[in-house]
Amino acid sequence: NAGVTQTPKFQVLKTGQSMTLQCAQDMNHNSMYWYRQDPGMGLRLIYYSASEGTTDKGEVPNGYNVSRLNKREFSLRLESAAPSQTSVYFCASSPDRSYTFGSGTRLTVV
Amino acid sequence: AQSVSQHNHHVILSEAASLELGCNYSYGGTVNLFWYVQYPGQHLQLLLKYFSGDPLVKGIKGFEAEFIKSKFSFNLRKPSVQWSDTAEYFCAVHIQGAQKLVFGQGTRLTINP
Repeated sequence: NAGVTQTPKFQVLKTGQSMTLQCAQDMNHNSMYWYRQDPGMGLRLIYYSASEGTTDKGEVPNGYNVSRLNKREFSLRLESAAPSQTSVYFCASSPDRSYTFGSGTRLTVV
Repeated sequence: AQSVSQHNHHVILSEAASLELGCNYSYGGTVNLFWYVQYPGQHLQLLLKYFSGDPLVKGIKGFEAEFIKSKFSFNLRKPSVQWSDTAEYFCAVHIQGAQKLVFGQGTRLTINP
Protein backbone atom coordinates (compact mmCIF):
# COMPACT_ATOMS: atom_id res chain seq x y z
CA ASN A 1 0.00 0.00 0.00
CA ALA A 2 1.20 3.50 -0.80
CA GLY A 3 1.91 5.65 2.20
CA VAL A 4 4.44 6.47 4.89
CA THR A 5 6.55 3.66 6.31
CA GLN A 6 8.35 3.97 9.63
CA THR A 7 10.89 1.62 11.12
CA PRO A 8 11.26 0.30 13.72
CA LYS A 9 7.81 0.05 15.33
CA PHE A 10 9.20 -0.42 18.83
CA GLN A 11 12.57 0.29 20.39
CA VAL A 12 14.05 0.29 23.87
CA LEU A 13 17.26 2.24 24.39
CA LYS A 14 19.51 2.80 27.35
CA THR A 15 20.30 6.34 28.35
CA GLY A 16 23.16 7.63 26.23
CA GLN A 17 22.66 5.24 23.34
CA SER A 18 22.09 6.54 19.84
CA MET A 19 19.67 5.45 17.17
CA THR A 20 18.07 6.52 13.92
CA LEU A 21 14.38 6.33 13.15
CA GLN A 22 13.69 5.76 9.50
CA CYS A 23 10.82 7.15 7.45
CA ALA A 24 10.06 6.67 3.77
CA GLN A 25 7.15 7.78 1.60
CA ASP A 26 6.26 6.66 -1.87
CA MET A 27 3.79 9.39 -2.79
CA ASN A 28 6.33 11.82 -4.27
CA HIS A 29 5.50 14.40 -1.59
CA ASN A 30 7.78 17.39 -1.21
CA SER A 31 7.37 17.95 2.53
CA MET A 32 8.13 15.57 5.36
CA TYR A 33 7.78 15.92 9.12
CA TRP A 34 8.72 14.34 12.41
CA TYR A 35 6.37 14.68 15.38
CA ARG A 36 6.44 13.29 18.88
CA GLN A 37 3.28 12.41 20.76
CA ASP A 38 3.13 12.60 24.52
CA PRO A 39 0.07 12.20 26.76
CA GLY A 40 -1.82 15.46 27.20
CA MET A 41 0.45 17.35 24.84
CA GLY A 42 -0.84 16.34 21.45
CA LEU A 43 1.68 16.08 18.65
CA ARG A 44 4.62 18.42 18.69
CA LEU A 45 6.75 19.11 15.65
CA ILE A 46 10.41 18.17 16.03
CA TYR A 47 11.78 18.91 12.56
CA TYR A 48 10.43 19.24 9.09
CA SER A 49 11.71 19.32 5.55
CA ALA A 50 9.82 21.44 3.05
CA SER A 51 11.72 19.96 0.14
CA GLU A 52 14.64 17.72 -0.66
CA GLY A 53 17.83 19.27 0.68
CA THR A 54 16.21 21.51 3.28
CA THR A 55 15.40 20.96 6.94
CA ASP A 56 14.02 23.25 9.62
CA LYS A 57 13.48 23.11 13.35
CA GLY A 58 10.04 22.71 14.80
CA GLU A 59 8.81 23.27 18.35
CA VAL A 60 11.00 20.71 20.14
CA PRO A 61 14.22 20.07 18.18
CA ASN A 62 16.67 19.78 21.08
CA GLY A 63 18.35 16.40 21.28
CA TYR A 64 17.48 15.45 17.71
CA ASN A 65 18.99 15.70 14.25
CA VAL A 66 17.45 14.93 10.89
CA SER A 67 18.55 14.05 7.39
CA ARG A 68 16.53 14.39 4.22
CA LEU A 69 18.44 11.76 2.33
CA ASN A 70 16.40 12.13 -0.84
CA LYS A 71 12.83 12.98 -1.72
CA ARG A 72 11.55 9.69 -0.28
CA GLU A 73 13.43 9.42 2.99
CA PHE A 74 13.59 11.54 6.11
CA SER A 75 15.40 10.13 9.12
CA LEU A 76 15.44 11.26 12.75
CA ARG A 77 18.53 10.67 14.87
CA LEU A 78 18.93 10.65 18.62
CA GLU A 79 22.63 11.05 19.32
CA SER A 80 22.47 10.45 23.07
CA ALA A 81 19.07 9.24 24.18
CA ALA A 82 17.53 10.58 27.39
CA PRO A 83 14.49 9.32 29.34
CA SER A 84 12.69 12.56 28.35
CA GLN A 85 12.75 11.30 24.78
CA THR A 86 10.51 8.38 25.65
CA SER A 87 7.60 8.97 23.33
CA VAL A 88 5.75 7.85 20.24
CA TYR A 89 7.27 9.31 17.10
CA PHE A 90 5.26 9.90 13.95
CA CYS A 91 6.56 10.72 10.53
CA ALA A 92 4.30 12.45 8.02
CA SER A 93 4.50 13.65 4.45
CA SER A 94 2.53 16.20 2.51
CA PRO A 95 2.29 17.54 -1.03
CA ASP A 96 0.85 20.81 0.24
CA ARG A 97 -1.83 20.90 2.95
CA SER A 98 -2.92 17.28 3.23
CA TYR A 99 -0.83 15.10 5.50
CA THR A 100 -0.33 11.35 5.56
CA PHE A 101 1.01 9.83 8.77
CA GLY A 102 3.05 6.73 9.38
CA SER A 103 2.08 4.14 11.97
CA GLY A 104 4.55 5.43 14.54
CA THR A 105 7.60 4.29 16.49
CA ARG A 106 7.19 3.70 20.20
CA LEU A 107 10.52 4.53 21.83
CA THR A 108 11.36 3.88 25.45
CA VAL A 109 14.57 5.20 26.97
CA VAL A 110 15.53 3.57 30.26
CA ALA B 1 3.11 32.05 18.75
CA GLN B 2 0.43 30.20 16.89
CA SER B 3 -1.43 27.75 19.05
CA VAL B 4 -4.36 25.37 18.95
CA SER B 5 -6.46 24.74 22.05
CA GLN B 6 -8.75 21.84 22.73
CA HIS B 7 -10.49 22.59 25.96
CA ASN B 8 -11.92 19.14 26.65
CA HIS B 9 -9.19 16.75 27.71
CA HIS B 10 -11.38 13.75 28.40
CA VAL B 11 -15.03 13.39 27.45
CA ILE B 12 -17.17 10.47 28.56
CA LEU B 13 -20.51 9.86 26.89
CA SER B 14 -23.06 7.12 26.54
CA GLU B 15 -23.94 5.64 23.19
CA ALA B 16 -26.43 7.71 21.18
CA ALA B 17 -25.47 10.91 22.98
CA SER B 18 -24.56 13.96 20.92
CA LEU B 19 -20.97 15.08 20.77
CA GLU B 20 -19.29 18.44 20.43
CA LEU B 21 -15.54 18.86 20.87
CA GLY B 22 -14.15 22.36 20.98
CA CYS B 23 -11.15 23.67 19.06
CA ASN B 24 -9.85 27.22 19.01
CA TYR B 25 -6.76 28.58 17.34
CA SER B 26 -4.80 31.76 17.64
CA TYR B 27 -3.79 33.04 14.23
CA GLY B 28 -5.30 35.87 12.28
CA GLY B 29 -4.26 34.89 8.78
CA THR B 30 -5.53 32.29 6.35
CA VAL B 31 -5.70 28.83 7.86
CA ASN B 32 -6.66 25.35 6.83
CA LEU B 33 -8.28 23.27 9.54
CA PHE B 34 -8.31 19.57 10.26
CA TRP B 35 -9.67 17.00 12.66
CA TYR B 36 -7.77 13.75 13.03
CA VAL B 37 -8.76 10.64 14.95
CA GLN B 38 -6.48 8.11 16.57
CA TYR B 39 -8.03 4.81 17.55
CA PRO B 40 -6.26 2.88 20.32
CA GLY B 41 -2.90 1.64 19.13
CA GLN B 42 -3.24 3.13 15.68
CA HIS B 43 -1.90 6.10 13.77
CA LEU B 44 -3.71 9.29 12.93
CA GLN B 45 -6.45 9.24 10.36
CA LEU B 46 -8.07 12.25 8.77
CA LEU B 47 -11.70 12.79 9.80
CA LEU B 48 -12.37 15.98 7.90
CA LYS B 49 -10.77 19.17 6.68
CA TYR B 50 -11.67 22.74 5.82
CA PHE B 51 -9.83 24.67 3.15
CA SER B 52 -12.40 27.17 1.90
CA GLY B 53 -16.06 27.53 0.94
CA ASP B 54 -18.95 26.21 3.01
CA PRO B 55 -17.89 26.55 6.66
CA LEU B 56 -19.84 23.41 7.59
CA VAL B 57 -17.82 20.43 6.49
CA LYS B 58 -18.79 16.79 6.63
CA GLY B 59 -16.32 14.03 7.21
CA ILE B 60 -16.25 10.29 7.56
CA LYS B 61 -18.32 8.26 10.00
CA GLY B 62 -21.00 10.92 10.44
CA PHE B 63 -18.72 13.61 11.84
CA GLU B 64 -19.00 17.25 10.87
CA ALA B 65 -17.29 20.47 11.89
CA GLU B 66 -18.14 24.14 11.62
CA PHE B 67 -15.58 26.83 10.95
CA ILE B 68 -16.53 30.09 12.66
CA LYS B 69 -13.95 32.61 11.57
CA SER B 70 -15.04 35.34 13.99
CA LYS B 71 -14.56 32.96 16.93
CA PHE B 72 -11.38 31.32 15.60
CA SER B 73 -13.12 28.01 16.19
CA PHE B 74 -13.54 24.70 14.41
CA ASN B 75 -15.69 22.50 16.63
CA LEU B 76 -16.30 18.85 15.86
CA ARG B 77 -19.80 17.41 16.16
CA LYS B 78 -21.61 14.13 15.81
CA PRO B 79 -25.37 13.79 16.49
CA SER B 80 -25.24 10.27 17.89
CA VAL B 81 -22.03 8.59 18.99
CA GLN B 82 -21.26 4.89 18.94
CA TRP B 83 -19.01 2.77 21.12
CA SER B 84 -16.62 2.50 18.16
CA ASP B 85 -16.03 6.26 18.32
CA THR B 86 -13.89 5.74 21.41
CA ALA B 87 -10.58 7.31 20.39
CA GLU B 88 -8.44 10.38 20.75
CA TYR B 89 -9.35 13.36 18.59
CA PHE B 90 -6.92 16.03 17.47
CA CYS B 91 -7.63 19.40 15.98
CA ALA B 92 -4.88 20.81 13.75
CA VAL B 93 -4.22 24.04 11.93
CA HIS B 94 -2.12 24.55 8.84
CA ILE B 95 -1.02 28.13 8.45
CA GLN B 96 -0.69 29.11 4.83
CA GLY B 97 2.92 29.79 3.97
CA ALA B 98 4.27 28.10 7.09
CA GLN B 99 4.28 24.60 5.61
CA LYS B 100 3.63 22.92 8.92
CA LEU B 101 0.71 21.56 10.88
CA VAL B 102 0.14 22.62 14.48
CA PHE B 103 -1.86 20.26 16.70
CA GLY B 104 -4.02 20.76 19.72
CA GLN B 105 -3.45 18.71 22.86
CA GLY B 106 -6.04 16.15 21.92
CA THR B 107 -9.35 15.08 23.47
CA ARG B 108 -9.80 11.55 24.68
CA LEU B 109 -13.34 10.37 23.99
CA THR B 110 -14.75 7.39 25.84
CA ILE B 111 -18.12 6.02 24.80
CA ASN B 112 -19.83 3.74 27.27
CA PRO B 113 -22.09 1.08 25.77
